[in-house]
Amino acid sequence: AQSVTQLGSHVSVSEGALVLLRCNYSSSVPPYLFWYVQYPNQGLQLLLKYTSAATLVKGINGFEAEFKKSETSFHLTKPSAHMSDAAEYFCAVSGLTGNQFYFGTGTSLTVIP
Amino acid sequence: DTAVSQTPKYLVTQMGNDKSIKCEQNLGHDTMYWYKQDSKKFLKIMFSYNNKELIINETVPNRFSPKSPDKAHLNLHINSLELGDSAVYFCASSGTPALEETQYFGPGTRLLVL
Repeated sequence: AQSVTQLGSHVSVSEGALVLLRCNYSSSVPPYLFWYVQYPNQGLQLLLKYTSAATLVKGINGFEAEFKKSETSFHLTKPSAHMSDAAEYFCAVSGLTGNQFYFGTGTSLTVIP
Repeated sequence: DTAVSQTPKYLVTQMGNDKSIKCEQNLGHDTMYWYKQDSKKFLKIMFSYNNKELIINETVPNRFSPKSPDKAHLNLHINSLELGDSAVYFCASSGTPALEETQYFGPGTRLLVL
């Protein structure tokens, strides 16, 4: 069974519009949740993470995500998209079983001028 | 200074060859990882070492052998390369193996097997 699911492999938004990237996890126990961003031809870097403190997590570059246990979700949002936000975004989860760390399949964000 | 570095950046080789990818981190971290990212961008953990000890060993062909000479280095050796090994391989490190730790990724090594 998939541990983490990202709905929408491709998302396009206009510059200045709201960015919403979806992530759901499958677990009865709240895991640790992460969003990483991968710019073209680069490694991944952390945007933000949830580690059982505040459910609304603020990250770098104006991104934030809210942990909703009832919905088993951790969607990533940004109020206003910039051209520089175009990248691949990965949701990741750990703490589900053993010492494993799982990435979602990624969402490619395109920002239209 | 680059926090996590990998060499080479690109690797093009023939089927059946043996190759190595090197990874070094200067963050003082205890834990290092190897990931494989396929052509569809799917990222999967292969191995993890903590203080030179193997702690995660996913279902990976035994043609892949990681080696950690010290906690700042984690190299990946691949024997008898196959077409399906073509991918981007990322090295990463974290302060500890704790599951809430942030991982810091290298720039990747793009391997193409012909």
